Amino acid sequence: EDQVTQSPEALRLQEGESSSLNCSYTVSGLRGLFWYRQDPGKGPEFLFTLYSAGEEKEKERLKATLTKKESFLHITAPKPEDSATYLCAVQAVSVWEGGKLIFGQGTELSVKP
Amino acid sequence: SAVISQKPSRDICQRGTSLTIQCQVDSQVTMMFWYRQQPGQSLTLIATANQGSEATYESGFVIDKFPISRPNLTFSTLTVSNMSPEDSSIYLCSVTYFGRALNEQFFGPGTRLTVL
Repeated sequence: EDQVTQSPEALRLQEGESSSLNCSYTVSGLRGLFWYRQDPGKGPEFLFTLYSAGEEKEKERLKATLTKKESFLHITAPKPEDSATYLCAVQAVSVWEGGKLIFGQGTELSVKP
Repeated sequence: SAVISQKPSRDICQRGTSLTIQCQVDSQVTMMFWYRQQPGQSLTLIATANQGSEATYESGFVIDKFPISRPNLTFSTLTVSNMSPEDSSIYLCSVTYFGRALNEQFFGPGTRLTVL
């Protein structure tokens, strides 16, 4: 069964304290891996798509990397405005490109000033 | 990217009633989807809304409970029928855009539903 597991469930950081969020996946062939940010009371905001092992994407203080079994979202020198829940999702090659995404439960990040 | 709106943003309903949620996009999109996000759980795909034809439902979701319409390229509705407290959740629509990968989904703000 295709599955996505994110860790930790919650992460508290001090402003400027860099860290990483993990997304481990089990899928019968990966078509794509997606990172989203979700603020309280809002819909998920698209961040990155990764398609193959070794690929990296960056946006401001965030960098996403991908291996054959997991993805990391690295946060460098975070600021309080980076506080949010970060969601990871995968799509298997067994579905067509417009098909189902499978989401993890998310990591709730809190950055204190 | 375009603006995705949902109505209502939240509602409190009595069990046994039905609620229709609207999703409107201000530009034409390729795909439209409906998700459920239950408290403390991940997003779960309910169905893909197909323009002019019946929606494609995921395992565990049926048309009688969650009828979906998509009359054109920019609008879709999801109805939650004969509601029970277990239907209390956030319901989200998502879309994919022309010119972008079909699996890069963009989400609306969500509808928070509480069933008493």
